[in-house]
Amino acid sequence: AQSVTQLDSQVPVFEEAPVELRCNYSSSVSVYLFWYVQYPNQGLQLLLKYLSGSTLVKGINGFEAEFNKSQTSFHLRKPSVHISDTAEYFCAVSDVDTNAGKSTFGDGTTLTVKP
Amino acid sequence: SAVISQKPSRDICQRGTSLTIQCQVDSQVTMMFWYRQQPGQSLTLIATANQGSEATYESGFVIDKFPISRPNLTFSTLTVSNMSPEDSSIYLCSVGSQGYNEQFFGPGTRLTVL
Repeated sequence: AQSVTQLDSQVPVFEEAPVELRCNYSSSVSVYLFWYVQYPNQGLQLLLKYLSGSTLVKGINGFEAEFNKSQTSFHLRKPSVHISDTAEYFCAVSDVDTNAGKSTFGDGTTLTVKP
Repeated sequence: SAVISQKPSRDICQRGTSLTIQCQVDSQVTMMFWYRQQPGQSLTLIATANQGSEATYESGFVIDKFPISRPNLTFSTLTVSNMSPEDSSIYLCSVGSQGYNEQFFGPGTRLTVL
């Protein structure tokens, strides 16, 4: 079984500032890692994913994340945020061996970008 | 990728009634997933729906409360039975990509139970 901890429930930042949303996970097996974004009144959209290979992954909308196996972390970063990045962000993990297409989600981080 | 639609998008229901949520996918998929997202909380998997077999429910969820149908490879329904205010949530349908390295989500059904 896996678990995901998003260390910040709310992150307020000013426009054009950098941001980091933190995610730690726990698993006894190898995992895939994901970040999803949920805009108000919409479903979830994949931002980026780590499956294997390079530990720095780049996603849509200028976001990137780094997989750190020793620290079991997968923090999401963006060097300069926009008002339109205001949304709920979810970190998720799935078991590589018994993936079956389903993930365990963290509690979410609300990113609020202020002008 | 997969495009998923859900009906209804939102509903307000009375205590003790039932609501059936429909999920339609634009391609054939083996497994479909139903999640619940309670206000201000994360996603919790209710069940996995495979075509041609009974749905597999996660701990804390039972078929009598959340019956699921999966008549073909592009469609599924979730019924929320004998509703109470605690069932007020967003219900999300999801499918896995080929190889299951990604999930695609529908827009959700926002349910309010009075």
